Amino acid sequence: DGGITQSPKYLFRKEGQNVTLSCEQNLNHDAMYWYRQDPGQGLRLIYYSQIVNDFQKGDIAEGYSVSREKKESFPLTVTSAQKNPTAFYLCATLDRYNEQFFGPGTRLTVL
Amino acid sequence: RKEVEQDPGPFNVPEGATVAFNCTYSNSASQSFFWYRQDCRKEPKLLMSVYSSGNEDGRFTAQLNRASQYISLLIRDSKLSDSATYLCALDTGRRALTFGSGTRLQVQP
Repeated sequence: DGGITQSPKYLFRKEGQNVTLSCEQNLNHDAMYWYRQDPGQGLRLIYYSQIVNDFQKGDIAEGYSVSREKKESFPLTVTSAQKNPTAFYLCATLDRYNEQFFGPGTRLTVL
Repeated sequence: RKEVEQDPGPFNVPEGATVAFNCTYSNSASQSFFWYRQDCRKEPKLLMSVYSSGNEDGRFTAQLNRASQYISLLIRDSKLSDSATYLCALDTGRRALTFGSGTRLQVQP
């Protein structure tokens, strides 16, 4: 089954902790993305990577970090510097037709 | 001004109705346009790409108006299963999408 997997589905974090969200894809797409969605709002771009070992900041990168060591994987770390991390986090890839596909998401809640 | 704007709705329509959503954008360099459907607490799923010539997929028709900088989505013969939030998205050339906040549609029996 080709697709994008994200884990965990739900994540609870205490204030001051760093957490890492996993995103794996077997679609063989070069480009991968992280978005954040708050209730009643659209998606906002955090970071993206067009190719292995390279990534760019999106519109709301502060308090987040990423790595892209493998084509299949694009983990996102939410650091303690992110002031309002509670949100729905979505990982995505982009195919050669410029169409974006999303994983099922991770819901992060700060306790 | 937001880069991409949508009427949040909700649009409450009876089954069988025709409903249309618009999405306006501010960046004239925008190159690719899309409509996504998002069900409650789920990830967005691509509904259709929007081409300059317009495109149709069954009951759904999408159009692009570059001069006025908006895209539209028309849904004919609405079904209960069409109830969802519809997000427009566009790429200004950086190969990453910018999304609107979404328009909520509720189709009623």
